[in-house]
Amino acid sequence: QVHLQESGPGLVKPSETLSLSCAVSGDSISRGNCWGWVRQPPGGGLEWIGDVCHTGTTTYNPSLKSRVIISLDRSTNQFSLTLHSMAAADTSIYYCARSPGWYRIDFWGQGTLVTVSS
Amino acid sequence: QPALTQPPSASGSPGQSVTISCTGTSGDVGGSDYVSWYQQHPGKAPKLIISEVSKRPSGVPDRFSGSKSGNTASLTVSGLQAEDEADYYCSSNAGGNIPGYVFGTGTRVTVL
Repeated sequence: QVHLQESGPGLVKPSETLSLSCAVSGDSISRGNCWGWVRQPPGGGLEWIGDVCHTGTTTYNPSLKSRVIISLDRSTNQFSLTLHSMAAADTSIYYCARSPGWYRIDFWGQGTLVTVSS
Repeated sequence: QPALTQPPSASGSPGQSVTISCTGTSGDVGGSDYVSWYQQHPGKAPKLIISEVSKRPSGVPDRFSGSKSGNTASLTVSGLQAEDEADYYCSSNAGGNIPGYVFGTGTRVTVL
């Protein structure tokens, strides 16, 4: 069974950079699939942030593209999210996820709440 | 890209059926074979219940079914059970020259 686990700070100051990691077990990030991030503000809906495929190719939500980087760390079987210039509107639960293609997400992490506040 | 439009809420009694709509445009839902549906219980991560418009992943009860007509996709939950009370989100590829996914606004299903 594939398992994803997010890690990172729960609190970030405005204008700072968020860095989250996702540890993957039960699958190899180098073998196939795309690995991405989805966020959900408290009480709100889902927003796709972007993903990186096993080839290293990245795709980002156009609304976030100028601030986001998603990358693979093949040595640790993890992938990461970097989001610059954090603002209060970025306060959300951040989920890491696996997409096997065909625009579907079949495995999700449990999510981690990131609050932006001074 | 703007979110796909879903009704905020839907409800039904146990054993009844409920259908949730997901309306987009010809560029996303209307032109896509890749509409998915996710179920999310409070405090939990979303769970894939329908992919490619109407395909059920292994382990998803056949009470859940998906379809599409024009720019609107639909999820039907038949034989409602208490555990079906959750939020439901559709998604599609964003379409056109826009990369990635777009999600629906979400529908809260209540079992009366």
